[in-house]
Amino acid sequence: QVQLVQSGPEVKKPGSSVKVSCEASGGTLGSYSINWVRQAPGQGLEWMGRIIPFVGIANYAQKFQGRVTITADRSTGTAFMEVSSLRSEDTAVYYCARAISDYYGLDVWGQGTTVTVSS
Amino acid sequence: EIVMTQSPATLSVSPGERATLSCRASQSVSSNLAWYQQKPGQAPRLLIYGASTRATGIPARFSGSGSGTEFTLTISSVQSEDFAVYYCQQFNNWPPYTFGQGTKLEIK
Repeated sequence: QVQLVQSGPEVKKPGSSVKVSCEASGGTLGSYSINWVRQAPGQGLEWMGRIIPFVGIANYAQKFQGRVTITADRSTGTAFMEVSSLRSEDTAVYYCARAISDYYGLDVWGQGTTVTVSS
Repeated sequence: EIVMTQSPATLSVSPGERATLSCRASQSVSSNLAWYQQKPGQAPRLLIYGASTRATGIPARFSGSGSGTEFTLTISSVQSEDFAVYYCQQFNNWPPYTFGQGTKLEIK
C-alpha cells in the first residue's frame, strides 16, 4: 500500500511563500492524481487543487488560482504545493491525498503539514 | 460551484444505536460522492466512494446510499471508535471538488 509522506511544519511571515512536499513511498506517483486539501483550525476540509503527474497538468479551485502552484517531480515521486503571498487566513493543516480516479475518492492521505502564518 | 450541505451539524447517539447522516448537493452529482471520517489530529479516512461502495477495510456497519442530490451515510450500530467528524465530497463537477461542512458524531 502506497504511503504519502509530507514535509514538516512551517512558520512563515505574512507576504512570504511556503512550499510543501508530498513523497510517495516506493518513489512513484503512478498515473494517479495528487490532490491538496487544507483545514484551518477548527474548520472543515477545503479542496485546493490537484495534479496528474503522469501528464503534468494541474487544476485549481478558483479561490486559489494565481496564488497556489502545484507541481510534481516524477523522477522522485514527489508532489509539491506552493502558496504565495501568505496571509494569516492561510494558517492551516495542508494535506496531500491520492485519487486513483475521481470516482474512487481520495483513498490515501499524507499525514498533514501545519503551516502557521504569523508576524 | 456545487455546494454540499450536511445535516445535522452535530448528531448525538448512544453506542449501539443507528446513526443517519445526510448530505445534499446544490445540483446533481450523479453517484460521484465520497464519505470520509476524521478523528482529532488525524488525516481523513475514506469510507465510501461512488456513493455506496465501501472502501478497503471499512466495516460493514458503514453504508452509503443516494444519487443525484441526496445522499445518506448510515452507521448501523455505532461503536465507540466511530465518534468523529464525517464529511461528504462531490467529484462530479470541478473545480473544485467541494466538501460538505461536516457532521460531528458525538456520544449521547
